[in-house]
This record gives sequence, C-alpha cells and structure tokens, in this order.
Amino acid sequence: EAGVAQSPRYKIIEKRQSVAFWCNPISGHATLYWYQQILGQGPKLLIQFQNNGVVDDSQLPKDRFSAERLKGVDSTLKIQPAKLEDSAVYLCASSSRAVDSLETQYFGPGTRLLVL
Amino acid sequence: KQEVTQIPAALSVPEGENLVLNCSFTDSAIYNLQWFRQDPGKGLTSLLLIQSSQREQTSGRLNASLDKSSGRSTLYIAASQPGDSATYLCAVTAAGNKLTFGGGTRVLVKP
Repeated sequence: EAGVAQSPRYKIIEKRQSVAFWCNPISGHATLYWYQQILGQGPKLLIQFQNNGVVDDSQLPKDRFSAERLKGVDSTLKIQPAKLEDSAVYLCASSSRAVDSLETQYFGPGTRLLVL
Repeated sequence: KQEVTQIPAALSVPEGENLVLNCSFTDSAIYNLQWFRQDPGKGLTSLLLIQSSQREQTSGRLNASLDKSSGRSTLYIAASQPGDSATYLCAVTAAGNKLTFGGGTRVLVKP
C-alpha cells in the first residue's frame, strides 16, 4: 500500500511570495489533515477534511492560508503572502474512516518551507 | 485547551543504556495516547498507541505506560542502539480524531 505522498519536499521563497503544497493521501482514506511543525516544536493541526468538506479549520490563519480538497482525494495548501514565521515543515496525514471514529493517522514525509 | 509537554527536550546516552522519555498532558479526557518517532527530513511513524482504558503497551524493546488520572505517560526503550537516535513525540487524541502533540524529545545514542 502506497503511503501519503507530498510535494515538493523542499521550497525556498522570499517573504510576500505565494507557495502551494500538494498532498495525495492513502487510497480510500476519507479524512485528510494538514499540520504545521515549526522547528523544535510538535506538529499543530491547521485543517481537517472529511472527504471534500472542512471539519475543522479553527487554527488556520485564514488571512493568508487556504486549503482545498475538491474531489475528496488529493489536497492543496496555499500560503499567500508568506511571512518569515511561516518557515516550517508542513505535514499531511490521512486516516481511513469517518472523523468521529478513532483511526490511526498516517503521515507523509512533509514539505520543508523556508521563507527568506 | 489541551497542552502536552515533553521533558527532557533533548537526551544523550551511551549505547546500551535504557531510555526514559516523559510526556504530560493537562486534560485527562483523552481517547488514547500515541508515541511517534520522527527522523530528520521524514514524516512521523507511530510506535505505540495506548487506549485510555489501558495502563501500558509493549512492542519489542519499547514499553509505554499511561496514567490518565495524573496526566502522564512514559516511554521506555530498553538497551538503546545508535539506530534509536531520533525525535520522539507523544500525542493525545480527543474527539474528532484530533491529535495534540508535545514538543518532542531529541534522542542521541552514542556508539
């Protein structure tokens, strides 16, 4: 079974530029998560999707961050415009069943973003 | 709001020593607690999952305990090896399958 795929693996941009990350979850997984992990800290949930609907985006900085999962499969996370403090690893995870069941989350390798 | 703390933030031991990693959480209303391993440039790998009704879970050289009433969990790694060098993260699961992570413990096992 293929794991969670993410691209790009690394990205360097200047502040005020825009950037997009892509995630392809494990086939058949209904729930998809985006996390932000700042250096030296644990991952923090940004947004959670159930199929193509948003379940929780309470910690997503909506003035600059957006995410979509249009067909309920892969997802993109966008930052526009980027700030220095957005430098982090962005992790995507997926789990198999509905959001109200307790299922193991499987994590992708992450995208490392550096904002200069 | 749930807060998860891991102490120490970093740990260095000689090969063969046992490792003891600590995790504490403020809200005992959890469904389970997981320990993850993170290698540089890679994602998270789940090591052990302890249900809220369990006291401990074991896998090979790894043993994790959970005391939900006091909000604490401990991960023991017996007879450490250089390949155990990584960052170890604990996370608690709340309603909606939401994970709250600690800041991690960076472990270095010296040959």
